[in-house]
Amino acid sequence: DAKTTQPPSMDCAEGRAANLPCNHSTISGNEYVYWYRQIHSQGPQYIIHGLKNNETNEMASLIITEDRKSSTLILPHATLRDTAVYYCIVSGSGGYNKLIFGAGTRLAVHP
Amino acid sequence: NAGVMQNPRHLVRRRGQEARLRCSPMKGHSHVYWYRQLPEEGLKFMVYLQKENIIDESGMPKERFSAEFPKEGPSILRIQQVVRGDSAAYFCASSPQSRTGDYEQYFGPGTRLTVT
Repeated sequence: DAKTTQPPSMDCAEGRAANLPCNHSTISGNEYVYWYRQIHSQGPQYIIHGLKNNETNEMASLIITEDRKSSTLILPHATLRDTAVYYCIVSGSGGYNKLIFGAGTRLAVHP
Repeated sequence: NAGVMQNPRHLVRRRGQEARLRCSPMKGHSHVYWYRQLPEEGLKFMVYLQKENIIDESGMPKERFSAEFPKEGPSILRIQQVVRGDSAAYFCASSPQSRTGDYEQYFGPGTRLTVT
């Protein structure tokens, strides 16, 4: 599975959009980009995933560059409850989805 | 729809005892994963199971740890003769079958194991 690179921490003002970048330059053609987050010590929460096209759901939007070497997770209107560690993971080439978690990005949303 | 359920939520064991952690996947999900998170560390994959089959146990310690996902009932992660270093949060996740190769996982709340 391809390795990902994320900034260790980011800040965002409440109500503003949070844009979390991720580099995955060695992604292969059949691998998906997944985003999860972990709020404090709770179980990780699935956010969104995509292959090539941009995706949007009730939680977030995922923008994947045309060459698929990077992506951005967008939380359109961040709230204090979005403070968490966000993980970008590339996976899915082996018939199942063993998630390899890196250090992620620690997003702090402040008033 | 009930989410992934894990029990117990907190488990205290003395060194040398056995710990049994249970995971009930979401309804309709046939894939179960176990992950461990040591204090102040990241999540690490342990094992992936389908009903009655261990598919990938590459992250399991070689000794004392075992996992099963029987035809009926929850998945069990068993740790024999626990040591202090086993103290961690153990998370279970489940995913549905997929025809397109993408498998989003839904995690349970975790079991926090403390070995005294």
